[in-house]
Amino acid sequence: KNEVEQSPQNLTAQEGEFITINCSYSVGISALHWLQQHPGGGIVSLFMLSSGKKKHGRLIATINIQEKHSSLHITASHPRDSAVYICALGAAGNKLTFGGGTRVLVKP
Amino acid sequence: GAVVSQHPSWVICKSGTSVKIECRSLDFQATTMFWYRQFPKQSLMLMATSNEGSKATYEQGVEKDKFLINHASLTLSTLTVTSAHPEDSSFYICSARSGQGMDTQYFGPGTRLTVL
Repeated sequence: KNEVEQSPQNLTAQEGEFITINCSYSVGISALHWLQQHPGGGIVSLFMLSSGKKKHGRLIATINIQEKHSSLHITASHPRDSAVYICALGAAGNKLTFGGGTRVLVKP
Repeated sequence: GAVVSQHPSWVICKSGTSVKIECRSLDFQATTMFWYRQFPKQSLMLMATSNEGSKATYEQGVEKDKFLINHASLTLSTLTVTSAHPEDSSFYICSARSGQGMDTQYFGPGTRLTVL
């Protein structure tokens, strides 16, 4: 069993819809990261969480340490949000363990 | 936010040649840099952790003599793929840790290597 599981693997939404991506993990962590990878390959760090909830623009990330679960929400989705979203676990030594990613396509 | 650059962004080389990829932190000092590779439609795989002024720590299964890492300064780490073969074709990404705050990492834009 992988240490970190993301769901869904693929997601298609219409512009304006609310999107939720889930991340479950099975190990102790120091922080959980949400990353965005665009088709060109570049990666942007969206959030780093160790507890609670963070918001940046239309993006919201939450984490429940007890349940070992995190969610990334995109409100009022837009075609430019189309990307792969990756959950990554941060542990000792700052090594990251990556989830398989969720491929999001937002149609106009 | 902090910026990490990589050069080149893409490179095509002949089998048997060596290729050097640079990773620079442009506006902060990176105590630690990480090198990843990513195959199409797969997740990132950590290759090695590079600390300034010391030898890199390689992940299991990564050949240190094939993937040479040098972290000569707090703003520059290089990855050299030696005697490249077609199976080394991949997307290579670096990230840098600023050392400020817990586990903050900033990713470079990646380098696409194609070995003919």
